[in-house]
Amino acid sequence: NAGVTQTPKFQVLKTGQSMTLQCAQDMNHNSMYWYRQDPGMGLRLIYYSASEGTTDKGEVPNGYNVSRLNKREFSLRLESAAPSQTSVYFCASSQPGGGNTEAFFGQGTRLTVV
Amino acid sequence: EDQVTQSPEALRLQEGESSSLNCSYTVSGLRGLFWYRQDPGKGPEFLFTLYSAGEEKEKERLKATLTKKESFLHITAPKPEDSATYLCAVYGKRDDKIIFGKGTRLHILP
Repeated sequence: NAGVTQTPKFQVLKTGQSMTLQCAQDMNHNSMYWYRQDPGMGLRLIYYSASEGTTDKGEVPNGYNVSRLNKREFSLRLESAAPSQTSVYFCASSQPGGGNTEAFFGQGTRLTVV
Repeated sequence: EDQVTQSPEALRLQEGESSSLNCSYTVSGLRGLFWYRQDPGKGPEFLFTLYSAGEEKEKERLKATLTKKESFLHITAPKPEDSATYLCAVYGKRDDKIIFGKGTRLHILP
């Protein structure tokens, strides 16, 4: 049982390049999330998806787009990467409404934009 | 808007020295308050969910409590392996966001 899987684990981009971070979960969860983590800033919500076919902005959505491809997969796209997007990105999933509402996290993608 | 504030930012304790971490929150109806542990280079690991004021949960040397405005993570007789960043998060009724605090970095000295 893999839980939440993120790819890639590491990536270096040049300013202006684009890329997509992939996330897949095998727990049949309805909700999925993308966070970024910077030193001293905790986890900040970029976008979330409450169910297949819906997405909503979080605390820091500028410069990002997302796609909820199906119930399992939620991708994060950087159209034109900037050095300010250097961060560690975490994907998470949860099942609201059930007995256990906590989110489960992937191992993260460490992104450097030069 | 839902908000979470954790204190202190960092805490250094001697092995065996008990203490508490604080998580103050404002939320439009609480569906759940979560505590996570995060080790360097890894994703957050779930510890506890608290749903209503007065609730308490325990796991080994950790005990989490909840009031209407804050939660505490009590660490009793900690060991060096308890060193980590502890994160608090809230899940409100207004939407499906899970909002995190900035965390407390805990270092237990042998």
